[in-house]
Amino acid sequence: SYILTQTPSVSVAPGQTARITCGGNNIGHKNVHWYHQKPGQAPLLVVYDDSDRPSGIPERFSGSNSGNAATLTISRVEAGDEADYYCQVWDTSSGHVVFGGGTKLTVL
Amino acid sequence: VQLVESGGGLAQPGRSLRLSCVTSGFTFENYAMHWVRQVPGKGPEWVAGITWNSGTRGYADSVKGRFTISRDHAEKSLYLQMNSLKPEDTAFYYCAKDLNSSGWSGLDCWGQGTLVTVSS
Repeated sequence: SYILTQTPSVSVAPGQTARITCGGNNIGHKNVHWYHQKPGQAPLLVVYDDSDRPSGIPERFSGSNSGNAATLTISRVEAGDEADYYCQVWDTSSGHVVFGGGTKLTVL
Repeated sequence: VQLVESGGGLAQPGRSLRLSCVTSGFTFENYAMHWVRQVPGKGPEWVAGITWNSGTRGYADSVKGRFTISRDHAEKSLYLQMNSLKPEDTAFYYCAKDLNSSGWSGLDCWGQGTLVTVSS
């Protein structure tokens, strides 16, 4: 089955830029979706179809996808951005929805 | 938009549970829907999905043959029938709305989750 690989943790100072990557075989050919999740809450979609934002999500959140890696970029990081971040794709070969293992973003 | 799950609880291995998800605030019959589970401290795991017209149902390998996803447009509800439960099915179960009607995309609305515990 298709596997998505994420770095377990990323740390960044407030005001800086955080980049969270999601690796997968030819992931550039798939639509990648990103979620953040805070403790005790359900995941929240922050980017869909590689780079689109749902209504209400700040422009500080952006995404890109090419080759074997997709990236979620969070500009001007705030303390409230501290959360777990997950990437997700639809693996058309298996018909399954696949989530990455998650990246814990720590705001220093 | 609101998704409210119910039906979780404690079940013995081998027994059954049926989860329900009542929806409101959007045109339920226009969207694919999913069940996603999550063990506390772990990442989400997709369980099952169903297209708008129930024409396609997909299951994770770990639940295929044991779980059945269904929907009722009149009730604006999504269901998950879970049979032959195993301890490894213990998790929070979330109902989630797909951005699309057919095929799977991003999941833009989630319920608050219902806890399923499988233990003797």
